Amino acid sequence: DAGVTQSPTHLIKTRGQQVTLRCSPKSGHDTVSWYQQALGQGPQFIFQYYEEEERQRGNFPDRFSGHQFPNYSSELNVNALLLGDSALYLCASTDGQGLYEQYFGPGTRLTVT
Amino acid sequence: AQSVTQPDIHITVSEGASLELRCNYSYGATPYLFWYVQSPGQGLQLLLKYFSGDTLVQGIKGFEAEFKRSQSSFNLRKPSVHWSDAAEYFCAVGNNFGNEKLTFGTGTRLTIIP
Repeated sequence: DAGVTQSPTHLIKTRGQQVTLRCSPKSGHDTVSWYQQALGQGPQFIFQYYEEEERQRGNFPDRFSGHQFPNYSSELNVNALLLGDSALYLCASTDGQGLYEQYFGPGTRLTVT
Repeated sequence: AQSVTQPDIHITVSEGASLELRCNYSYGATPYLFWYVQSPGQGLQLLLKYFSGDTLVQGIKGFEAEFKRSQSSFNLRKPSVHWSDAAEYFCAVGNNFGNEKLTFGTGTRLTIIP
């Protein structure tokens, strides 16, 4: 049973560029959340997708957007990259209901130069 | 607004010694509390969770945590640490049984010395 997978593993971008990160949830899960983890910090909630809609959003600017596909996989898009966007981006999935834990993927390391 | 404080940035413990990592939370309603562990280059793995009931919860890898409402604390303990326990530990608070937003602390880095 595959867990949460994310791609790519590492990514280097230049300021002002746009980036797309991808996440496939654990089998049987229909809800995907995205977190940003800066170096030396705890993960910060970006947003959550359920039934292809953004259900909840953290304190991130509109440059951060997402999408969920009918197969429950998800994308995180970041426009106009800033140096401060350099971080580990974590995807977590859950089945959306009941007493279930959020399963985290290994993350995508984004470096903005 | 919910928040989590982990007062200890870095803790060093001898192998075989006991461990306690501190966590204090702020939450307006019934908190759903979690401890996660992160090894270098890896994602987060859930150690244990508290939703309700018994205030002492058991987790994986021999960890346990105690919920104390009067102190707004959820400290993680292990009676005897192993070298493989060296990692970053995060306490988190959530709502809706943890299926929605999780708010994490800044983490405690655990170093094990022989």
